[in-house]
Amino acid sequence: GAVVSQHPSWVICKSGTSVKIECRSLDFQATTMFWYRQFPKQSLMLMATSNEGSKATYEQGVEKDKFLINHASLTLSTLTVTSAHPEDSSFYICSASREGNSPLHFGNGTRLTVT
Amino acid sequence: AQKVTQAQTEISVVEKEDVTLDCVYETRDTTYYLFWYKQPPSGELVFLIRRNSFDEQNEISGRYSWNFQKSTSSFNFTITASQVVDSAVYFCALTRLNSGGYQKVTFGTGTKLQVIP
Repeated sequence: GAVVSQHPSWVICKSGTSVKIECRSLDFQATTMFWYRQFPKQSLMLMATSNEGSKATYEQGVEKDKFLINHASLTLSTLTVTSAHPEDSSFYICSASREGNSPLHFGNGTRLTVT
Repeated sequence: AQKVTQAQTEISVVEKEDVTLDCVYETRDTTYYLFWYKQPPSGELVFLIRRNSFDEQNEISGRYSWNFQKSTSSFNFTITASQVVDSAVYFCALTRLNSGGYQKVTFGTGTKLQVIP
């Protein structure tokens, strides 16, 4: 069964609003989670590394004020897309591993559409 | 810098044919992991295999097999007797271990496999 749960699966929002996406590790604690973005028919691009109890590490070119990441517990990381614009429409997917070098498991992803 | 190249953008095969998906990687790390993931139309990423840089043994799992060759920096994936359910986008990925122990993954651009009944 799934070991990483992501919610919601899809969301439609209006421009200017904020959207929060949750990523939960179901039966293990994850000190680190990763957030990816995937445009249609393209690969996954790492956006940021979410660290429990500390600030996220963002990849070059990713606006940290635009994509707020909070990793308040060992089983939950959230990604908030603030003041969403149509160009933020994409597939967002999170991942986590049970321990440092174990395989990464991915959530089912969230398809965001900004109108 | 890490890089993963999947030169095949799309492949179509007839059911029961064998198909090989190519993956070539670049890394300066001596310790790294290679992955294959399957992404069906529903979007989720399904973990298929992980191989570390010290283990060049080929692996077989049912109809799936993987050929890791460090000398050519390749990690190819073969599906034997393909089935319609194999239709998906397949991603090859490369990770390195950071000092904190977690992984930073670089994905290839994916190969879309269509198995025609």
